[in-house]
Amino acid sequence: DAGVIQSPRHEVTEMGQEVTLRCKPISGHDYLFWYRQTMMRGLELLIYFNNNVPIDDSGMPEDRFSAKMPNASFSTLKIQPSEPRDSAVYFCASSQRGASYNEQFFGPGTRLTVL
Amino acid sequence: AQSVTQPDIHITVSEGASLELRCNYSYGATPYLFWYVQSPGQGLQLLLKYFSGDTLVQGIKGFEAEFKRSQSSFNLRKPSVHWSDAAEYFCAVGTYNQGGKLIFGQGTELSVKP
Repeated sequence: DAGVIQSPRHEVTEMGQEVTLRCKPISGHDYLFWYRQTMMRGLELLIYFNNNVPIDDSGMPEDRFSAKMPNASFSTLKIQPSEPRDSAVYFCASSQRGASYNEQFFGPGTRLTVL
Repeated sequence: AQSVTQPDIHITVSEGASLELRCNYSYGATPYLFWYVQSPGQGLQLLLKYFSGDTLVQGIKGFEAEFKRSQSSFNLRKPSVHWSDAAEYFCAVGTYNQGGKLIFGQGTELSVKP
């Protein structure tokens, strides 16, 4: 298996622009997680899905952030409009309930820089 | 509230020395416990995990961890550190009732001196 795939790996944009981050989970996994990592706040869970349905979005910072999972093999995290304080590394992870008890597999991350 | 504490933000050890990274959790149910490692510019990689049974678990890269229920701890150890072990280490905890969600600690950054 190719593991969790994220694109792009790096994104540089200007304040006010829309940013879309993409994630392909491991085939057969029924949970998908979006995290944000910064030096100041560490690793934060933004939102997670089970069987394509959002379960907990309490970590989403504000309305500028939205996430979708239209099918089992694809998810997006969108920021509109982007702000410099959104600069961070965004990770996607997936897991399979009943196999290895919540073990999450992480993608390589997307490094977002908002100028 | 559920929480995971890694008391040490940064640790420096000499190459060849032993290592212990601390992790304490607060959880009402029987926990599932994990240690992940993150090398610079990389995603998180699983080192080891504990679900039940033997409280001493072995992981990759020569790491081991011991679950101590009485102390609510799951400390990570390695008898002899290599320069390539320099990275950030995260402890995480989950339960069956959390539906896949893990609670992560703040991480411990490990530096290795030659």
